[in-house]
Formats: sequence, structure tokens, C-alpha cells
Amino acid sequence: GESVGLHLPTLSVQEGDNSIINCAYSNSASDYFIWYKQESGKGPQFIIDIRSNMDKRQGQRVTVLLNKTVKHLSLQIAATQPGDSAVYFCAEYSSASKIIFGSGTRLSIRP
Amino acid sequence: GAVVSQHPSWVICKSGTSVKIECRSLDFQATTMFWYRQFPKQSLMLMATSNEGSKATYEQGVEKDKFLINHASLTLSTLTVTSAHPEDSSFYICSAVDGTGMEKLFFGSGTQLSVL
Repeated sequence: GESVGLHLPTLSVQEGDNSIINCAYSNSASDYFIWYKQESGKGPQFIIDIRSNMDKRQGQRVTVLLNKTVKHLSLQIAATQPGDSAVYFCAEYSSASKIIFGSGTRLSIRP
Repeated sequence: GAVVSQHPSWVICKSGTSVKIECRSLDFQATTMFWYRQFPKQSLMLMATSNEGSKATYEQGVEKDKFLINHASLTLSTLTVTSAHPEDSSFYICSAVDGTGMEKLFFGSGTQLSVL
């Protein structure tokens, strides 16, 4: 069945360094992917998205890379700041017109 | 940007009672809304898809008679947890699409339900 998973459940990064969060998906028919940030006790917040006809998309301090060959997504956060501490989810827009979330990675920032 | 308002943000109830959670799109019409539940340190699990004016589509394993969903207008969907039990304690989150595509999917702030 459809599933979206993450390689690492937790990630600790030095403040100012770059963070890379990875995600694998299984449905090769998926054509739209989103990264969300969730802070404790809040709903997910949209970060960046990418369509399957692209392999890279950049936002403000964030970049999403898509490798369709190996069905892999990554989120890169440049110059990680304390405010980036959160759980990050990749999500897949399935053919059934719904968003399926991955298992999440908790990003913690070391001062 | 678009705002989805979810109410209440937290609720405590006794076992056996019912709890209603509201999800409103404040500045757009939401033809489709989604309800998720999230246990601590876990991901969001899709419970059901709610389309305005029609019955909700539930995911496998989600009891439709226990989790009643109503989407009576383009700006409001409600989730009622009937005869709540402690195992229903969870974080419930709604999201809404403004009708122009999944790129415009917005989430509510969530409702923490604690059943005693």
C-alpha cells in the first residue's frame, strides 16, 4: 500500500549548520510532495512543496530535493536556527486525493 | 493567508460522553476537509475525508459510527467523538482545501482531547 517514511526519527544539529532531513516514499505514481513543520501542540505548517516534474525547489533558507529514481525526498535547512526546532513531516499527495504523512523527524538545535 | 480555525483547542471529558470538534475555514470556501488524529510522538493519521453536502469517506479501521463527521456548509465541518473512552484521547487536527487544489491545504491548530 501507499506509505511515506523517514530514515531518521531524530536529528541534532549545531546552530548555524545546515540540516538535512530525509524521506522515502513508496508510491511511484505520486506527483506532489510537501514538507510540513509541526511545533508542539500545534497543527502542521506548510514549508515547501515540489511536483514530480521537478527535482529541486528552493525557498527561503529551505530547499527540497526529489529523486524519483529512488523515490527519495530531502529537506535542507540552511543556517539552522533555534526557531527551526520542531518535528518535520514529509507528505505525499496520493492518487486517492488525500495527503498521507510520513513518520516525522524531530529536529533539535544545539547552541 | 488562508486560515482554518479549530475549536476547542483542548477538551477534557468523562468516559461515555460525546465531544464535538469544529473546523472552520475563515476566509475561503472549503469543498473538502480532512480529519487527522495524532498520538504523542507519532505522525498524523488520516481518519476521514469530508466533502460538503455528502457523506464522509472514512479510512480503513476508523469507526464511522464512533467518529461522526458532518460537513454541512462550505466553511464548517464537525467531528463528534461519540461515547468517548480513554483510548480516544488524542490530538485531532483538521485541514481544509480551498477548492483550487491540494497546494492550498491549510491546517487547524488542533484539539487535544483527554478522556477520563
